[in-house]
Amino acid sequence: RKEVEQDPGPFNVPEGATVAFNCTYSNSASQSFFWYRQDCRKEPKLLMSVYSSGNEDGRFTAQLNRASQYISLLIRDSKLSDSATYLCVVGPSGSARQLTFGSGTQLTVLP
Amino acid sequence: GAGVSQTPSNKVTEKGKYVELRCDPISGHTALYWYRQSLGQGPEFLIYFQGTGAADDSGLPNDRFFAVRPEGSVSTLKIQRTERGDSAVYLCASAMGQGYYNEQFFGPGTRLTVL
Repeated sequence: RKEVEQDPGPFNVPEGATVAFNCTYSNSASQSFFWYRQDCRKEPKLLMSVYSSGNEDGRFTAQLNRASQYISLLIRDSKLSDSATYLCVVGPSGSARQLTFGSGTQLTVLP
Repeated sequence: GAGVSQTPSNKVTEKGKYVELRCDPISGHTALYWYRQSLGQGPEFLIYFQGTGAADDSGLPNDRFFAVRPEGSVSTLKIQRTERGDSAVYLCASAMGQGYYNEQFFGPGTRLTVL
């Protein structure tokens, strides 16, 4: 079983739609969580950190459920520029300092 | 300011050859990471440096892979006797510290193709 599992995608949605991505992680000791965005043939970039209380950044809302080991990302009012691959990421825990990535979910926002 | 830089951006080599990939982290970042990303997958951890020492090399797939960071800044990932399965994008990231929410900033990667 992969440490971080995401919706397989791809997601093709019209502009203005709301889209949700889900992710589960296997290590219950994980301490930090993120969503990264990766454009085609580019490096991953941090979209937002995910906190237990949930957090919002403009059109983006991230939620964390530690009991279910589940992370979500909601994008409202999708823009063409939101088209990218969204990577669910579990951060450092214990003595390990690396990020553990899901395989990513590809989103295409259509005009 | 300058971000993480990696050279070369592309490297094509033949099976069995030796390659070196270079990473220049953001100035002042003490933590440096190497990841490898295959097509359709997320990046996978290879090795982590804190300062000059390799704090965790548990992600290196075998002893053909080695990395150094002799002065605590630039790092080089070295791959001996390359195999076709080594073809991937090799990403370097740096971070200010080791905290759980310290952001890792990624370089543009080196796309390695082994023929």
